[in-house]
Amino acid sequence: EAGVVQSPRYKIIEKKQPVAFWCNPISGHNTLYWYRQNLGQGPELLIRYENEEAVDDSQLPKDRFSAERLKGVDSTLKIQPAELGDSAVYLCASSFITYEQYFGPGTRLTVT
Amino acid sequence: AQKVTQAQTEISVVEKEDVTLDCVYETRDTTYYLFWYKQPPSGELVFLIRRNSFDEQNEISGRYSWNFQKSTSSFNFTITASQVVDSAVYFCALSGWETGANSKLTFGKGITLSVRP
Repeated sequence: EAGVVQSPRYKIIEKKQPVAFWCNPISGHNTLYWYRQNLGQGPELLIRYENEEAVDDSQLPKDRFSAERLKGVDSTLKIQPAELGDSAVYLCASSFITYEQYFGPGTRLTVT
Repeated sequence: AQKVTQAQTEISVVEKEDVTLDCVYETRDTTYYLFWYKQPPSGELVFLIRRNSFDEQNEISGRYSWNFQKSTSSFNFTITASQVVDSAVYFCALSGWETGANSKLTFGKGITLSVRP
């Protein structure tokens, strides 16, 4: 069974530029999560989807971050414009019914 | 509010030593889940175990064992006869109970384990 797929794996951009991350969850997983992991820290939830509905986006900085999950499968997380403090690893995870979340390899974003 | 504390930041052992990673949690929920994840240098978080708050039985899986003590709000992880491949960052995490849905994970800051040959 294929795991959670994320792309790109690495991204370097200048501040004020836009950037987008893509996630393809494990087939059949109805819940999808985006986490941000700062250096030396544990992941922190940005947004959680149940199918195509965002059920928890309380931690998403909505002035510059946006996310969508088309047809309840793939998801895209966007930052516009990026700031230096957005440098982090962005992790996507998915789960089905159980509380076991399976994580992708992450996208390491560097904002210069 | 939920909180997970992993007081140890870095641990270094020699191969074949036993090592225990500590985890202390805080929650007001009466029902909750506890997790351990492993993050090797490749970056992907690997699920190791989930334990619900009803079940305080210790669990053993090969060289891994977990000790859940509700009285002290701890969920410690022991690796017996450590190996170089165990080198990674280990995260303890907590999720609350939400009927019919999956809850967000609150992670600790992680413990970097280095196993030297």
